[in-house]
Amino acid sequence: EDKVVQSPLSLVVHEGDTVTLNCSYEVTNFRSLLWYKQEKKAPTFLFMLTSSGIEKKSGRLSSILDKKELSSILNITATQTGDSAIYLCAVEVTNAGGTSYGKLTFGQGTILTVHP
Amino acid sequence: ETGVTQTPRHLVMGMTNKKSLKCEQHLGHNAMYWYKQSAKKPLELMFVYNFKEQTENNSVPSRFSPECPNSSHLFLHLHTLQPEDSALYLCASSQDPGVPGNTIYFGEGSWLTVV
Repeated sequence: EDKVVQSPLSLVVHEGDTVTLNCSYEVTNFRSLLWYKQEKKAPTFLFMLTSSGIEKKSGRLSSILDKKELSSILNITATQTGDSAIYLCAVEVTNAGGTSYGKLTFGQGTILTVHP
Repeated sequence: ETGVTQTPRHLVMGMTNKKSLKCEQHLGHNAMYWYKQSAKKPLELMFVYNFKEQTENNSVPSRFSPECPNSSHLFLHLHTLQPEDSALYLCASSQDPGVPGNTIYFGEGSWLTVV
């Protein structure tokens, strides 16, 4: 059974701190890993990672995939109160023939709270 | 505004009621999805429709019945639900699951409470 595990489950920091969120996976046919941010509404897309070792960056957020270690990290530098949210990691898999049906397997999420 | 619109945003229904959740996407995508988010559990895929055809049913009980009349609209018909079905139901869409780089975009969800 495909499995995605995130750590820590919750994290409390102060504005200006840097945080690292972890995601590890055990899946049969990996296609991509995605990060989402959820603030009491729709999960909003952050990054899609398919290749190992290539960092994706958007402002203060960055993420990288390590296919050898079956894991990914999401870094947030100089955190702000607006970064408080649940961060979701999901893995898309294919069937044995390499076809994807768009099925995402999600981790439990990391609840990030940033205090002023 | 994510381009994926869900109605109603909140729904309270009795166990004998029949209701429907509606989703519409304005992104020109070909695939639509229903996900369920329960308290303290990971987001869980329920159904996938690709070009109006159901391609995935993740062992969902028959009291949940999806309908996809076209690539822009998706419904989830609800009948004789149980209190444990109370959850946030998220609709999503993507361009084409068969294509690498297929990014899935979510709607804001419908909060369902079964009493």
